[in-house]
Amino acid sequence: DVKVTQSSRYLVKRTGEKVFLECVQDMDHENMFWYRQDPGLGLRLIYFSYDVKMKEKGDIPEGYSVSREKKERFSLILESASTNQTSMYLCASSPPLAGVGYNEQFFGPGTRLTVL
Amino acid sequence: KQEVTQIPAALSVPEGENLVLNCSFTDSAIYNLQWFRQDPGKGLTSLLLIQSSQREQTSGRLNASLDKSSGRSTLYIAASQPGDSATYLCAVMEGAQKLVFGQGTRLTINP
Repeated sequence: DVKVTQSSRYLVKRTGEKVFLECVQDMDHENMFWYRQDPGLGLRLIYFSYDVKMKEKGDIPEGYSVSREKKERFSLILESASTNQTSMYLCASSPPLAGVGYNEQFFGPGTRLTVL
Repeated sequence: KQEVTQIPAALSVPEGENLVLNCSFTDSAIYNLQWFRQDPGKGLTSLLLIQSSQREQTSGRLNASLDKSSGRSTLYIAASQPGDSATYLCAVMEGAQKLVFGQGTRLTINP
């Protein structure tokens, strides 16, 4: 079974702090993703990565950065946390395009971040 | 811009009923469509993936169909059980492996 793990289930930080959210997958997947989920807004893509040291902006990258130094690990960084970044953060991974249309994404359990 | 809509937003049915959840999308240029389940406060569990060239996929009591030309997908759940209570999300994959999600249908199965 694919396993995607996230470093914390719940996190409470103060405004202005630098926050690191870690995601690790054990299936040697090339692709990794960070989403946030908010009531009424659904899931929105923040950043994704096709390979080590590669990153692409998603729909809402402002206020975030990412790091991918190893294939299995994808980190989301909040440079200076703000209250509007309080949210559920979900990490996902998927294999490369094995065939057009077959790229199932597997999600981690999520991190509920509260910024005070 | 792709938009994904799920109707209804919430559904409550008695145990044992068969039910259908609906998903529609505005741009038919998709690679695939995925259905997920999310329990409260948890991550997403992938249920079914339908490639753009396929019409349906089945897994146990679940059957998902895809009509790309009309921009619609349905998730059929047979003989519903209380353990099926969750939020069900559909998502379409566009280029660059980007998933666009619907808002979800919150399903409650009453014993």
